[in-house]
Amino acid sequence: GAGVSQSPRYKVAKRGQDVALRCDPISGHVSLFWYQQALGQGPEFLTYFQNEAQLDKSGLPSDRFFAERPEGSVSTLKIQRTQQEDSAVYLCASRTSGVLYNEQFFGPGTRLTVL
Amino acid sequence: DAKTTQPTSMDCAEGRAANLPCNHSTISGNEYVYWYRQIHSQGPQYFIHGLKNNETNEMASLIITEDRKSSTLILPHATLRDTAVYYCIVRPNNNDMRFGAGTRLTVKP
Repeated sequence: GAGVSQSPRYKVAKRGQDVALRCDPISGHVSLFWYQQALGQGPEFLTYFQNEAQLDKSGLPSDRFFAERPEGSVSTLKIQRTQQEDSAVYLCASRTSGVLYNEQFFGPGTRLTVL
Repeated sequence: DAKTTQPTSMDCAEGRAANLPCNHSTISGNEYVYWYRQIHSQGPQYFIHGLKNNETNEMASLIITEDRKSSTLILPHATLRDTAVYYCIVRPNNNDMRFGAGTRLTVKP
């Protein structure tokens, strides 16, 4: 079946603009994760949903970052008033429930460049 | 959370075994050792995991020391397509993943 998809794949924004990044998880996957990956570094955890509930948002770097998953499937990561340090690849991952181990399925990411 | 230490980079000849070490001396009893890999311009991909026993799947083997303070990921016959960044992560089950910088493996012809 289809994997995790993300859109857009590339986004260029001027500093100060708002952006919205979309994640379509694998159908039926209960858990959804967002990560931020700066150039040359490993992914950094941002936030976690179980169905529509946002259970952990401890990794969001500032109140300019907001994520939602209103119907427990598609998720949107919104960044307000973008700044240059927000430039990174934003990765989304999903995981099914009832598994005995933590296999997360990652999308290809959205590369955000803030000018 | 237990932290991991991995070499920044390693080279391996095509067809040879690639042995990627990971130190996790502060691992606690409920934490698993996970390996993910990330090929250039793609999202990370789950590779293998273990708790205390050695594990093998179709891609690799994971050897965990008896005291669980370190582990080695073994790719028995590395190919050029195995060139990637390999992340060793120590986490309880069903949590988010906390990636470090990983080991950049380059398989050379």
